[in-house]
Amino acid sequence: DTGVSQDPRHKITKRGQNVTFRCDPISEHNRLYWYRQTLGQGPEFLTYFQNEAQLEKSRLLSDRFSAERPKGSFSTLEIQRTEQGDSAMYLCASSVVSNYGYTFGSGTRLTVV
Amino acid sequence: TQLLEQSPQFLSIQEGENLTVYCNSSSVFSSLQWYRQEPGEGPVLLVTVVTGGEVKKLKRLTFQFGDARKDSSLHITAAQPGDTGLYLCAGKVLNFGNEKLTFGTGTRLTIIP
Repeated sequence: DTGVSQDPRHKITKRGQNVTFRCDPISEHNRLYWYRQTLGQGPEFLTYFQNEAQLEKSRLLSDRFSAERPKGSFSTLEIQRTEQGDSAMYLCASSVVSNYGYTFGSGTRLTVV
Repeated sequence: TQLLEQSPQFLSIQEGENLTVYCNSSSVFSSLQWYRQEPGEGPVLLVTVVTGGEVKKLKRLTFQFGDARKDSSLHITAAQPGDTGLYLCAGKVLNFGNEKLTFGTGTRLTIIP
């Protein structure tokens, strides 16, 4: 068990470009969550999956954001036409259904210039 | 309006002192968790509390869940520099089918050697 892995750790992109982040959860965890955290704030929920099904999306997730978990294992979060307001830490977490606790990855820090 | 309010927002104390941080809401939670986050990393789960009035101890850390399951506190005895970090409470609102964690605003704790 290597924990939750996120790639890349850091991403700097120009405004208007598309970016994609990857999350590899703990293998036996069937729930996967994406959160966004800005400086000085707690993480804000974006979306979550149970296996390959996306069960809930936050209103924070505009139409420029899309997340997938094609085979119920790893997940990707894509942001199209990035804006400076998208700059944040994007956190992925996983859990098992019966477990109350989340295991978080180290996050991907996105900077839009 | 933030669902979970944490206080104080910042706390800086000398090594060896005791401290308490608070997490309050007007909503009832089915479970509540405390996480600690260091700069550039994801949050790490410290404890989960489920039953109203529950008290859990983790070495020098004592966690309490309010009787009405709307609030929680974290008490640290004889604080050490290694306790420095961002402390986040997070809860699942009591609502059928709700599976996402809502995070508080965080308390940034600094222990001065």
